Amino acid sequence: EPEVTQTPSHQVTQMGQEVILRCVPISNHLYFYWYRQILGQKVEFLVSFYNNEISEKSEIFDDQFSVERPDGSNFTLKIRSTKLEDSAMYFCASIEGGGTNEKLFFGSGTQLSVL
Amino acid sequence: GQSLEQPSEVTAVEGAIVQINCTYQTSGFYGLSWYQQHDGGAPTFLSYNALDGLEETGRFSSFLSRSDSYGYLLLQELQMKDSASYFCAVQRGSTLGRLYFGRGTQLTVWP
Repeated sequence: EPEVTQTPSHQVTQMGQEVILRCVPISNHLYFYWYRQILGQKVEFLVSFYNNEISEKSEIFDDQFSVERPDGSNFTLKIRSTKLEDSAMYFCASIEGGGTNEKLFFGSGTQLSVL
Repeated sequence: GQSLEQPSEVTAVEGAIVQINCTYQTSGFYGLSWYQQHDGGAPTFLSYNALDGLEETGRFSSFLSRSDSYGYLLLQELQMKDSASYFCAVQRGSTLGRLYFGRGTQLTVWP
């Protein structure tokens, strides 16, 4: 089965630093998402992206966050100035958009640790 | 807002049947999904119900009652590899991919 690929698998950064988390969604998918999961807690929606623009974002996705699809394959999440509370597992996900639209395909995640 | 309630833990033995319940409160309910997650790895889609009734996929089945704001995931012929966290998630409106997840149920399967 095709996969969503995320890099790096682990990222350690100092508070206040910028981080970029990278994702390669499944090639024929049209809708892209970032979710996060703080250790031991539920998975939370951050942002959705379609047709090269943000279609929806949650209250978590403040001005410190941005997303970009710089080319035809990559989808990135940037955190401008990381805070301790940004420590979490960040999941990229995608949906085909033409067929089985209820099925989100998740990547294996990037574990972000902010020190 | 929205809320989803599911048990935090369930244990069972191999070969048994287990049911994980999920009750939800939300406006604009569109559908209920179930995802499996092993040890903090990628959540994996299991099933989706938009209409009342039972959906069966192999050993797993999912049920929805929209009038009761209730669903469940039924796992049959449990195997050790089914030990994982199971999340119910609500889709509000027809917005694709924006899901509201419950806190998850940790299923432990004993030999």
